[in-house]
Amino acid sequence: EIVLTQSPATLSLSPGERATLSCRASQSVSSYLAWYQQKPGQAPRLLIYDASNRATGIPARFSGSGSGTDFTLTISSLEPEDFAVYYCQQRTNWPPGFTFGPGTKVDIK
Amino acid sequence: QVQLVQSGAEVKEPGASVKLSCKTSGYTFTYYALHWVRQAPGQSLEWMGWINAGNGDTKYSQKFQGRVTFTRDTSASTVYMELTSLRSEDTAVYYCSRAVLNWSGFDPWGQGTLVTVSS
Repeated sequence: EIVLTQSPATLSLSPGERATLSCRASQSVSSYLAWYQQKPGQAPRLLIYDASNRATGIPARFSGSGSGTDFTLTISSLEPEDFAVYYCQQRTNWPPGFTFGPGTKVDIK
Repeated sequence: QVQLVQSGAEVKEPGASVKLSCKTSGYTFTYYALHWVRQAPGQSLEWMGWINAGNGDTKYSQKFQGRVTFTRDTSASTVYMELTSLRSEDTAVYYCSRAVLNWSGFDPWGQGTLVTVSS
C-alpha cells in the first residue's frame, strides 16, 4: 500500500503570507495526486486534481505541483477563509484504490 | 447543481450493523462511481471503497473487505453502505462522495453521517 506523508503537521502563518505544503508518497504515484481542504464541521472540498489542475471554482491563489513521489500545494497569499486542514490523496491504477495523507493544519499565527 | 444528501446519525451497539444511504441529484446517476470515506474523531480521512453506479461493480479497501457492502438503487439515485460487526473503533463520520471523471478526485461530498458505536 502506498503511504502518504505530509509536512509540516502544522503551519502557523498570518493572512497575506505564502503557504507551502508538502506531500510525499512512499512510491511513485505519477501525477495521480489530489488536494482537499477541510474546515471544522464540514466535508472536505476538492482543490487540486492530477497534481496541478484546479477544481471548478477554486481561486487562482491555490496551485499544485510535482510528480512521482514529491508534491506541493501552494497558497500564494493566505485569505482568512484558507485557515483549515489540507489533505493529499493518491490513487493507484485500475481498479483504482485510494489513500489519504495525515493532513497539514494551517492556522493563524 | 450536484447534491449528495446522506441519512441521519446512528447509534449502534458493538456487534451490530449499520446501513447508511446517500441520495444523489443534479446529474445522471449511472454515469459516475461513488466513494465512501470515513473520518474518526480528530483523525484523517480513510477511504473505504467505491461503487460504480452504472453496473454495480465495487472495490473495497482491504481493511474493510468482508465487513462492508455497497449497493445502489438506480430508480432512487441512491447508494447504500452497510458495515457489519461494528466496534468502538468504527465511531466516525461517514461521507459519500462522487468520483470525478477519470478517477482524479472526489467531488462533491455529502454532508456526512455520524455513526457512534457504544454499549
